[in-house]
Amino acid sequence: DTEVTQTPKHLVMGMTNKKSLKCEQHMGHRAMYWYKQKAKKPPELMFVYSYEKLSINESVPSRFSPECPNSSLLNLHLHALQPEDSALYLCASSHPGGGAFFGQGTRLTVV
Amino acid sequence: GQQVMQIPQYQHVQEGEDFTTYCNSSTTLSNIQWYKQRPGGHPVFLIQLVKSGEVKKQKRLTFQFGEAKKNSSLHITATQTTDVGTYFCAGRGGGSYIPTFGRGTSLIVHP
Repeated sequence: DTEVTQTPKHLVMGMTNKKSLKCEQHMGHRAMYWYKQKAKKPPELMFVYSYEKLSINESVPSRFSPECPNSSLLNLHLHALQPEDSALYLCASSHPGGGAFFGQGTRLTVV
Repeated sequence: GQQVMQIPQYQHVQEGEDFTTYCNSSTTLSNIQWYKQRPGGHPVFLIQLVKSGEVKKQKRLTFQFGEAKKNSSLHITATQTTDVGTYFCAGRGGGSYIPTFGRGTSLIVHP
């Protein structure tokens, strides 16, 4: 299994809503990532989990809250987002130091 | 901080022509990765280069890592319409295990 599965694929949420993005991989990767990607831009790193511990937070606003329940799962909890947070949210996983396998992403629209 | 510059930003080619994208880093890299993202899709890991002067081939794609480990290139021979997409390099360096993405090169192939 070389897939990273993300749900949902599309999400529309209001600025007062709370929602969660989910990510799952079964490749035994111990590094998992959340990226944000705007149109025609490279992926922008948000968070890194290494061996289920948060190792990097790239100064992301607290309205984004990551969670790693176990070595296969990664969640991103969203609360009180702004319209400028609308983007493609990508989950990825890798062996430490290896190439990253990306999920198909969640296309988020904040209204 | 580490910067990875990638050029050109866009490249239009006629089907059958060759294509090259270049990445340059301000610092020495421990390795460099290449990804392809189709329009509307997610980044897909292509390859990782680690050794100084390394050259690797995947069918019509040739990847090079410079002798000083500060630059890299991806060359596609005889482009096809299936090569359309944005190609990103991502370099690791400065003791960080997190790659820094270049801005990407969007390849447009005209039939």
